[in-house]
Amino acid sequence: KQEVTQIPAALSVPEGENLVLNCSFTDSAIYNLQWFRQDPGKGLTSLLLIQSSQREQTSGRLNASLDKSSGRSTLYIAASQPGDSATYLCAVKTDSWGKLQFGAGTQVVVTP
Amino acid sequence: SAVISQKPSRDICQRGTSLTIQCQVDSQVTMMFWYRQQPGQSLTLIATANQGSEATYESGFVIDKFPISRPNLTFSTLTVSNMSPEDSSIYLCSAPGMRNTEAFFGQGTRLTVV
Repeated sequence: KQEVTQIPAALSVPEGENLVLNCSFTDSAIYNLQWFRQDPGKGLTSLLLIQSSQREQTSGRLNASLDKSSGRSTLYIAASQPGDSATYLCAVKTDSWGKLQFGAGTQVVVTP
Repeated sequence: SAVISQKPSRDICQRGTSLTIQCQVDSQVTMMFWYRQQPGQSLTLIATANQGSEATYESGFVIDKFPISRPNLTFSTLTVSNMSPEDSSIYLCSAPGMRNTEAFFGQGTRLTVV
């Protein structure tokens, strides 16, 4: 059974520092891995999608890497801003139709 | 990308009643997914809804409690039946974008049962 773990559970950094969020999964047979952002009480916003054959994806200040063989992904957020404060979730796609297995998330606070 | 509209965005309901949540996608999709997020926890898949057939439920979720309809390729509903305070959660629907790769989510329904 696929299990997804995110470390740390919570993170607080001053504005301008880089953020490093970790995600690990137990079964390397994944279709892709996706990073989401969730603001309190809201839905999910997709940040980055990494296909199983890819090593990394970049979008603006965000960069995500994937090492499928070791079951790990890392999300880097450069030069953090207070607006980056949110919960970040990683999820792996476990079947061809789109079923996702989520980690518990990392709650990020960026202080001005 | 796919734009998913979900309603209601929030509701407060009496125990023993039922609530139906609607989810509309701006494009035709084969599969839609319903998730639950209990307070302080991550998302758990409730069921997969395929147009024209019965939904497939994950372990721990049953049709009598969470009946799902999928009348066409752009719409689905989830009903939370005979609610108790333990059903207080955020319920989210999801659908894939083009080429069935990236997953997109509605804005969620925040349900409080009193």
